Amino acid sequence: TQLLEQSPQFLSIQEGENLTVYCNSSSVFSSLQWYRQEPGEGPVLLVTVVTGGEVKKLKRLTFQFGDARKDSSLHITAAQPGDTGLYLCAGEGSWGKLQFGAGTQVVVTP
Amino acid sequence: EAQVTQNPRYLITVTGKKLTVTCSQNMNHEYMSWYRQDPGLGLRQIYYSMNVEVTDKGDVPEGYKVSRKEKRNFPLILESPSPNQTSLYFCASSLLPQGIVRTQEQYFGPGTRLTVT
Repeated sequence: TQLLEQSPQFLSIQEGENLTVYCNSSSVFSSLQWYRQEPGEGPVLLVTVVTGGEVKKLKRLTFQFGDARKDSSLHITAAQPGDTGLYLCAGEGSWGKLQFGAGTQVVVTP
Repeated sequence: EAQVTQNPRYLITVTGKKLTVTCSQNMNHEYMSWYRQDPGLGLRQIYYSMNVEVTDKGDVPEGYKVSRKEKRNFPLILESPSPNQTSLYFCASSLLPQGIVRTQEQYFGPGTRLTVT
């Protein structure tokens, strides 16, 4: 059973377009992390959100944690080919255990 | 350079032949963990270790063993591999378990792609 549902599973867009990736759960998390994974490499942490309603920005990436701390979104403005990758969300439950979503594969073509 | 290394990166083996995947980190991290990644299922934790000689099961521990005799190393052992263990494996480490310091970053190794025929 997947506790964290990510949508869409796959997203293909043109350079310059915007995109949003969603991460939803019926569980409440202490914090939520977003990672990006490129082919042949391990996931790399992008951001951690902790407070319900929190919004964090990382250049063209905007991360939001839902008020109830059950969901999160990642918005990319003016996507570039370098944004291509597998985006994973991970919710922190009890004892610091991370539960990962299945990921959203983003492809940005020039 | 701070990093987590895994070896081998690729491995093809046959059912029943014992194998070990090594993991080493040079960041003096307390917490280490093994995950497997399968399409549509995301990363699932196999085993984790809070410190030397302290290990515990994750979500999918069946068929795997681990040991933590030194702080920097956390090998994953498959005593009798089976085809359903074909997967992409990641080792990860963090300074402390996630629940102790909220914004702990987990560092992942580059992955080991294992095929069991």
